[in-house]
Amino acid sequence: GIQVEQSPPDLILQEGANSTLRCNFSDSVNNLQWFHQNPWGQLINLFYIPSGTKQNGRLSATTVATERYSLLYISSSQTTDSGVYFCAVAEKLVFGKGTKLTVNP
Amino acid sequence: EPEVTQTPSHQVTQMGQEVILRCVPISNHLYFYWYRQILGQKVEFLVSFYNNEISEKSEIFDDQFSVERPDGSNFTLKIRSTKLEDSAMYFCASRRLVWEQYFGPGTRLTVT
Repeated sequence: GIQVEQSPPDLILQEGANSTLRCNFSDSVNNLQWFHQNPWGQLINLFYIPSGTKQNGRLSATTVATERYSLLYISSSQTTDSGVYFCAVAEKLVFGKGTKLTVNP
Repeated sequence: EPEVTQTPSHQVTQMGQEVILRCVPISNHLYFYWYRQILGQKVEFLVSFYNNEISEKSEIFDDQFSVERPDGSNFTLKIRSTKLEDSAMYFCASRRLVWEQYFGPGTRLTVT
C-alpha cells in the first residue's frame, strides 16, 4: 500500500521562528490533507491540498504531486502552534507518523 | 459552520463488554469513515461507508467490529467484545463529493 513519511519527527522552536515540515508519499494521490492534532487529541483540518499552493494566515502549504511531496510552512510560530502535525493521503486516508512541534516562549 | 460530532468524549469499559461509539456526520455528506489512534501512534483507517454499506475495511476491522447508519443522521461503530488492545481514540470523519474529509473530536475508549 501507499507509504507516507514525514520529517522531521520532532522539532523544537523558539516563538517567532519559522519552520518547514515535509511529507513524502510513495504513489500518486487524489487527496492530501494536513492536520494539526492539539493537546486534547482533536484533529484540526489545516489544508486540503492535492496539488498547488495555499495560504491561511501564518500557515501555507505546497504540494508537488509529480514529485510526490508536500511541504507545510509555519511562519512566526506561536506557543499555540505546538502539537503534532499529520499529513494524510488517498481516499481512505493513510497517515504519516507526524511531526511533533514544540514552540517555546 | 457545520461540524462532525461524536459521543461520548470518553468511555471506560471492562474487557469483554460491548461498546457503541456514536457520530453525527455533517448533514449533506455522503461518505463516512472510522479511524483509530492508539496512544502515541499514527491514525489508522478502519472502515469506509457509502450508500448504506461498507465500501472498504482494513485488516483491523475484524468480526468484532460493525458499523451502522440507523437513521439519516447517526453513524455508529460497535465493538462486540472489547479487548485491552482496543483502547484508543476513535475518530469519525465524513465528506461530500470532494475528497476532503472532516473529522470529529474523537471518543477516547479505555478498556480495563
